[in-house]
Amino acid sequence: AQSVAQPEDQVNVAEGNPLTVKCTYSVSGNPYLFWYVQYPNRGLQFLLKYITGDNLVKGSYGFEAEFNKSQTSFHLKKPSALVSDSALYFCAVRDPLNAGNNRKLIWGLGTSLAVNP
Amino acid sequence: EPEVTQTPSHQVTQMGQEVILRCVPISNHLYFYWYRQILGQKVEFLVSFYNNEISEKSEIFDDQFSVERPDGSNFTLKIRSTKLEDSAMYFCASSEGASGALADTQYFGPGTRLTVL
Repeated sequence: AQSVAQPEDQVNVAEGNPLTVKCTYSVSGNPYLFWYVQYPNRGLQFLLKYITGDNLVKGSYGFEAEFNKSQTSFHLKKPSALVSDSALYFCAVRDPLNAGNNRKLIWGLGTSLAVNP
Repeated sequence: EPEVTQTPSHQVTQMGQEVILRCVPISNHLYFYWYRQILGQKVEFLVSFYNNEISEKSEIFDDQFSVERPDGSNFTLKIRSTKLEDSAMYFCASSEGASGALADTQYFGPGTRLTVL
């Protein structure tokens, strides 16, 4: 069955330090992988996605993520965290074998990131 | 920057009542989606809609649910007879749906919090 795991409910990091938010997935084919961020009382905002090609993808607000097929992971990273990065982060996957007009995303539980001044 | 909008932001209803949640997708997008998130749980896919018909639905999307695109801009989710367990945040999303773009990005609205009493 298709699934996404975000093993950490919460990540705490000091401002200026690098941050990593972890995501692992389980799908039958080569996945399409996405990261979204949710600020308080806001919707889900797209950060970045991996489709194919370079395993390191860059996205909004200085975030990047690395696709690792052997570890079935797609960890979100940022070299230097800001207090304003504090939010809820969601990893999502679409199975390309779920083809045609079917485009549902399967989601992780989310990771709350707290960046301390 | 174009955004997906949703109304109302919060809806309180009595069990057994009908509710309609409204969404205005991004204007040139062709695919529309509803997801929901019960408090503390994963975001769950409900339904996707393309070319004026449902393209995929989950097992959650039973006969109590329906979707409609009544005009060129709105996309609605109707719950005919609400249950306590329908209480959740409901997110609308849209994507461009260009031919071949199987991994097109879904853009989300801010959500409607539905509370069933």
